[in-house]
Amino acid sequence: NAGVTQTPKFQVLKTGQSMTLQCAQDMNHNSMYWYRQDPGMGLRLIYYSASEGTTDKGEVPNGYNVSRLNKREFSLRLESAAPSQTSVYFCAADRVNYNEQFFGPGTRLTVL
Amino acid sequence: AQKVTQAQTEISVVEKEDVTLDCVYETRDTTYYLFWYKQPPSGELVFLIRRNSFDEQNEISGRYSWNFQKSTSSFNFTITASQVVDSAVYFCALSDEETSGSRLTFGEGTQLTVNP
Repeated sequence: NAGVTQTPKFQVLKTGQSMTLQCAQDMNHNSMYWYRQDPGMGLRLIYYSASEGTTDKGEVPNGYNVSRLNKREFSLRLESAAPSQTSVYFCAADRVNYNEQFFGPGTRLTVL
Repeated sequence: AQKVTQAQTEISVVEKEDVTLDCVYETRDTTYYLFWYKQPPSGELVFLIRRNSFDEQNEISGRYSWNFQKSTSSFNFTITASQVVDSAVYFCALSDEETSGSRLTFGEGTQLTVNP
């Protein structure tokens, strides 16, 4: 039982390149989330998916797209990476009405 | 809009001291949830506690205790007899009342350093 897994753990991109961050959970939770963590700013919600087939914007969605591929998987895509997207990205999952989010180990992304 | 404020950016204590991390929140919801997470130097986020807005009882778990006061919109976290392993960034977070998924609003975090 791995909980929430993320790939890759580290990534370096050049400005303008695209990439997809992968997230998977084996807890059968309905809701999944993507956050970014920047120094001194805590975590901020990018997108979330309350259930399979639905996605909604969070606080900082610009420059990102998401796909809830199935109940297990929730991916985050950067179409044209910018240096401002250098951050640590966390994926999380929780059950409806349960309100305890389990976080993945994070992906450290650097955009040059 | 929801907001969580952790006014203490950094705290440094000597081992065995007690330390309190402050958290003040703002929300218009009558039902909400408050959380504390620990982020050790390894970077993962470790869930510590969840408290709903209707439960103002203080909670103690070993050396950890939490004081929830709705009257002052605060949810403070105390570590008793701190240890070096408590060194981490601690985040307070607030969740709105969503029946189909909960979005967390995090504070900026408090870096706690416990020196031997």
